[in-house]
Amino acid sequence: AQSVTQLDSHVSVSEGTPVLLRCNYSSSYSPSLFWYVQHPNKGLQLLLKYTSAATLVKGINGFEAEFKKSETSFHLTKPSAHMSDAAEYFCVVMNYGGSQGNLIFGKGTKLSVKP
Amino acid sequence: DTAVSQTPKYLVTQMGNDKSIKCEQNLGHDTMYWYKQDSKKFLKIMFSYNNKELIINETVPNRFSPKSPDKAHLNLHINSLELGDSAVYFCASSPGGWSYEQYFGPGTRLTVT
Repeated sequence: AQSVTQLDSHVSVSEGTPVLLRCNYSSSYSPSLFWYVQHPNKGLQLLLKYTSAATLVKGINGFEAEFKKSETSFHLTKPSAHMSDAAEYFCVVMNYGGSQGNLIFGKGTKLSVKP
Repeated sequence: DTAVSQTPKYLVTQMGNDKSIKCEQNLGHDTMYWYKQDSKKFLKIMFSYNNKELIINETVPNRFSPKSPDKAHLNLHINSLELGDSAVYFCASSPGGWSYEQYFGPGTRLTVT
């Protein structure tokens, strides 16, 4: 079975400082992992994905994530936060148990950015 | 060019009513999904649909029924609405397979009074 655990429900940073959103995964197979972002009252947008290629994955808006098999982690980072980054972030794993590959979401991390 | 669209964006209705939410994708994808996001922002799969194969999540009440008139559309019909059905419902699509990302619609906020 696959699952993801987001270690922080809320992260607050100051504008211009680094962002770290933590995610651990559990998977019986080599996982497909994703980070999605949801801005207030908006839909979900894909930030980046890992599918067993390079372990350091670069996404949109300056975000990147590193797949660490030894630590079963897929943390999301950004060197410098912008006010527009304030949103809910979801770590997601592909469910290989489903016949059509549905996604299993973490509980989300709310990122607040202070001026 | 909206990739995945849903209508309506907001839906307010009374308990016991029947309602439908429509979803359309213009990406040419083979697989579509319905997810439910509860008040705590937790997202959970409800259904996935690939051509003629419907995968039903066993935790979804049978008052919920997806209907797909063609590959580009997957509608969600809900009978006898209950207060607990209040949530945001997201439609998504993907090319299918184990490593493809899913593209989400803007969501439909359903409020049952």
